[in-house]
Amino acid sequence: KAGVTQTPRYLIKTRGQQVTLSCSPISGHRSVSWYQQTPGQGLQFLFEYFSETQRNKGNFPGRFSGRQFSNSRSEMNVSTLELGDSALYLCASSLGDGGSYGYTFGSGTRLTVV
Amino acid sequence: GENVEQHPSTLSVQEGDSAVIKCTYSDSASNYFPWYKQELGKGPQLIIDIRSNVGEKKDQRIAVTLNKTAKHFSLHITETQPEDSAVYFCAAAGGSSYKLIFGSGTRLLVRP
Repeated sequence: KAGVTQTPRYLIKTRGQQVTLSCSPISGHRSVSWYQQTPGQGLQFLFEYFSETQRNKGNFPGRFSGRQFSNSRSEMNVSTLELGDSALYLCASSLGDGGSYGYTFGSGTRLTVV
Repeated sequence: GENVEQHPSTLSVQEGDSAVIKCTYSDSASNYFPWYKQELGKGPQLIIDIRSNVGEKKDQRIAVTLNKTAKHFSLHITETQPEDSAVYFCAAAGGSSYKLIFGSGTRLLVRP
């Protein structure tokens, strides 16, 4: 069965612009989480959605937002991009509570801000 | 706050030797402990996980042990092969937080 699909794989944006990243979870999975991976900070939790509701949010500024659609696909948006937002953004899907069912990650979107 | 410490940051072993990576977590509510392998250009791939009601779990050459009292868990890879070379992350989750707290990663190099 298809895994977690993230699009696009690579993005280059200019400071001040905004960007939208997309994640399609494994079929039947209703939970989608987002993580930011950087060499300096490692893997940091952004937010988690289940059935279109945000259940938890990490310590990121309000420029980072997300949403989930009725088909469980999720998008995250970063507004007013800063150089420090350059990172690999990873999406993970789970049947429900990841602590019970486990998380499966996509290959990520590599965002470069110039 | 919630924290997972992982050691060592780099590990170099000879092919056929064993490799051990250790993690310590801070949140007593954590009850799920997965290990991920990340290769260049790819997302983290789950290789093994353990829940707090189990002390040890094994899958072929890979095993994980959990000491809830000490809040320690470890990954053991036996008979290492060059294709085991990658970055390994431990993580902890639980308490209805709906998120993983990751360790800082271990870069494993298996020398042929």
